[in-house]
Amino acid sequence: ETGVTQTPRHLVMGMTNKKSLKCEQHLGHNAMYWYKQSAKKPLELMFVYNFKEQTENNSVPSRFSPECPNSSHLFLHLHTLQPEDSALYLCASSGSLAEHNEQFFGPGTRLTVL
Amino acid sequence: GQNIDQPTEMTATEGAIVQINCTYQTSGFNGLFWYQQHAGEAPTFLSYNVLDGLEEKGRFSSFLSRSKGYSYLLLKELQMKDSASYLCAVSDSNYQLIWGAGTKLIIKP
Repeated sequence: ETGVTQTPRHLVMGMTNKKSLKCEQHLGHNAMYWYKQSAKKPLELMFVYNFKEQTENNSVPSRFSPECPNSSHLFLHLHTLQPEDSALYLCASSGSLAEHNEQFFGPGTRLTVL
Repeated sequence: GQNIDQPTEMTATEGAIVQINCTYQTSGFNGLFWYQQHAGEAPTFLSYNVLDGLEEKGRFSSFLSRSKGYSYLLLKELQMKDSASYLCAVSDSNYQLIWGAGTKLIIKP
């Protein structure tokens, strides 16, 4: 298995549901990221973890809750979402937060909130 | 505020050359990235510039002028598979990537 994997690839949920997105990287990286991608908008950085410690939380609503149990795994727990949260959620990893931090992306989870 | 500007959409012909521009205003600069994203897929890394000048990698080249806050991605000998969105991103003073909205490139036969 190579690169960055994400599950599920597609998710449809109601506003009262609770679900989790999973990301796993097999690159030996130390930094992991959650992004939200909406149509025709720039990628929005949501959370950053470096060596399992959260370093960024860019004013993300509390209905999104990240978890990073180790450097290889990252979760995004979802509860009581709104229809405007429907988007592509991308996970990425990089060697570190500094310098030439080329990020490697997973395929994303296409989330639809009804 | 921080801002990355790039055209929303461009159209080019197979076999031709196209230049996608990106201008930026950020708090600090630690390099500029170009990524390619095919519809429904993950962004993939194309190039990185931190010093002024042209970086060439096969059919793709990327140019940077830090004094002008400007970069471009040059694609030569266009192929149908080059139809994709091209994302410009700048690494700011905290090494966080600030992203443009992407340029959708349409290649016509």
